Amino acid sequence: AQKVTQAQTEISVVEKEDVTLDCVYETRDTTYYLFWYKQPPSGELVFLIRRNSFDEQNEISGRYSWNFQKSTSSFNFTITASQVVDSAVYFCALSEVYSNYQLIWGAGTKLIIKP
Amino acid sequence: NAGVTQTPKFRVLKTGQSMTLLCAQDMNHEYMYWYRQDPGMGLRLIHYSVGEGTTAKGEVPDGYNVSRLKKQNFLLGLESAAPSQTSVYFCASSHPTPGAQPQHFGDGTRLSIL
Repeated sequence: AQKVTQAQTEISVVEKEDVTLDCVYETRDTTYYLFWYKQPPSGELVFLIRRNSFDEQNEISGRYSWNFQKSTSSFNFTITASQVVDSAVYFCALSEVYSNYQLIWGAGTKLIIKP
Repeated sequence: NAGVTQTPKFRVLKTGQSMTLLCAQDMNHEYMYWYRQDPGMGLRLIHYSVGEGTTAKGEVPDGYNVSRLKKQNFLLGLESAAPSQTSVYFCASSHPTPGAQPQHFGDGTRLSIL
């Protein structure tokens, strides 16, 4: 069965600290896609990154970086030098080709950045 | 650039009433989706559509109906509202290929059923 686990319900750090959000997934398929979305307090959902199962190269975008490891079925998200504006709920999601690309969502991690 | 627009943004209903949520996208996306988001949970797919005139059930379809008469619009109907349907509803759209494309979301509709 498809499943996405974000074990960290809430994380609180002080501004400028680095923080890693964990995402572990389960899938039977060899072709799948992983996503991260951000939901700030205003409520909208913002796409951050998409990764397919054949591309294990880590990605960096400014202060954001993602570590995809198929061996541990993890797709973790790190924010370097966190800022108050990073405070949000972050969702990890999985999509498989055989499920018509429906997204299976994790429960989300609420990130609080204190000034 | 409007993207995905949901109307209304807020609504309060009484148990047993019916209503329709409208989603409109201007990105010429083939795929459209309706989700609900409850406190402390991720999004759950209600129904989705892979093209004009087609709809399919998602994870939690009971109590809802949908229609996709035009490519740009995806309507979500509540036939007889129940308190358990109190939630925030999100519409999304995406290109179908290649692979799973990012979904673009509307701002959500906050629905309360009394």
